[in-house]
Amino acid sequence: QKEVEQNSGPLSVPEGAIASLNCTYSDRVSQSFFWYRQYSGKSPELIMSIYSNGDKEDGRFTAQLNKASQYVSLLIRDSQPSDSATYLCAVNNLYGNNRLAFGKGNQVVVIP
Amino acid sequence: NAGVTQTPKFQVLKTGQSMTLQCAQDMNHNSMYWYRQDPGMGLRLIYYSASEGTTDKGEVPNGYNVSRLNKREFSLRLESAAPSQTSVYFCASSETGMGRNEQFFGPGTRLTVL
Repeated sequence: QKEVEQNSGPLSVPEGAIASLNCTYSDRVSQSFFWYRQYSGKSPELIMSIYSNGDKEDGRFTAQLNKASQYVSLLIRDSQPSDSATYLCAVNNLYGNNRLAFGKGNQVVVIP
Repeated sequence: NAGVTQTPKFQVLKTGQSMTLQCAQDMNHNSMYWYRQDPGMGLRLIYYSASEGTTDKGEVPNGYNVSRLNKREFSLRLESAAPSQTSVYFCASSETGMGRNEQFFGPGTRLTVL
C-alpha cells in the first residue's frame, strides 16, 4: 500500500463550481497534513496545512481531516481558471524523521 | 526575503560529467531537502539534512552526494551524470518541531543528461 494516494486522472470543473480532491494515507501515526499547488513548470507552493480533525478554511480553500478514516481532502469553492494546476497531498509523521510523503498529485482544470 | 533559491535554473550535461546544484534559504530553517520530480513518479526525496552538520539518505540517493555547508546552504552533487538523472530537482526547507513540517520549495533546476 502506498503511503499517500490521490485519485488518478484530471478533474475538470466549470468556473464557479466546487472542486473536491481526496487523499488517503497509510500510516496511522501521521500528525501533519499539507496541500500543495503546482502550476505547470513551477515548483510546489504550500496552500494549506491541517493538524487536527475537522475542517480548516482559508479563503476559497477548505481542508478536511479525518484521522480515524485516514483521509484528508481539499475543497476549492468558486473555482477560477487560475486554480487550474496540479494539487499534491503530503503527509508527515513523527517516526519518519519528519519526512514528508507526497501523493502523485491531482490535476484540476477549471473550464471558463 | 528570497525564501529558497536554487542555481542553476537549467543545465544540460553529457553522460559522465559532474555538477553541483546549489540551494540556499534565508528563513533560518533547520531542515533542508533535495527532491527530484519525474512524470508519473511524483516527488521523490533524494537526501535531507535535519540540521546543520547532518545528512541522511532519502528514497533515491544512488548517484548523488550532498553537503550541508552551513545552516543556509545545502548542495547536491552528481559525480558522474547518467541519462536516468534527467529530471527536475527541487530544494526545500522547513522548520520542524512538534510534528510540524511545512516545507517551502525553491524554483527548481531542470537537468538534462544526454
